[in-house]
Amino acid sequence: AQKVTQAQTEISVVEKEDVTLDCVYETRDTTYYLFWYKQPPSGELVFLIRRNSFDEQNEISGRYSWNFQKSTSSFNFTITASQVVDSAVYFCALSEAKGGSQGNLIFGKGTKLSVKP
Amino acid sequence: DTAVSQTPKYLVTQMGNDKSIKCEQNLGHDTMYWYKQDSKKFLKIMFSYNNKELIINETVPNRFSPKSPDKAHLNLHINSLELGDSAVYFCASSQGVSWGRHRSAYGYTFGSGTRLTVV
Repeated sequence: AQKVTQAQTEISVVEKEDVTLDCVYETRDTTYYLFWYKQPPSGELVFLIRRNSFDEQNEISGRYSWNFQKSTSSFNFTITASQVVDSAVYFCALSEAKGGSQGNLIFGKGTKLSVKP
Repeated sequence: DTAVSQTPKYLVTQMGNDKSIKCEQNLGHDTMYWYKQDSKKFLKIMFSYNNKELIINETVPNRFSPKSPDKAHLNLHINSLELGDSAVYFCASSQGVSWGRHRSAYGYTFGSGTRLTVV
């Protein structure tokens, strides 16, 4: 069965601190995709990144970086020099290949990040 | 220009009523979904539909039914609403592509959500 675990329910940091959000996944498939979404207080789901299971390269986008390690089934997300606008709930998600196509997104329970000024 | 649009954004209704939430996507995607986000922010798949196949999460009550008049629409109809149906419902779409080592699957695009409150 597929499962995504975000062990950190809530994290609170002070502005300019670095923060890492953990994500551990379970799947029996060898082909899958991992995602991170941001849900700000306004409620919409904002796509941040997707990563193919064949590509273990880490990625950096501005203050955001992602560390994908298949050996530990983890896909962690780091925000460098956090800002108040980063305050949101962050979801890690997994989709498996299904009959040659994408399957459903399986979400973790989310991590609520509060960045205080 | 909105890629995935849901209406209404807010819906307040009484127990026992029947209601529908509409979803339209203009991305040409071939698969659409409905997700439910409960009060604890947990997001869970309800349905996926791609013209050929409707897949229903077995935990979804049969009071919920998706209706797809065409490839660009997947509406959610709910009969006999209950208090526990109060949640935010998200529509999403994706383009199903073949997986392979050298291919990238497209992401999922979400609508802005519909907050349903049953009183």
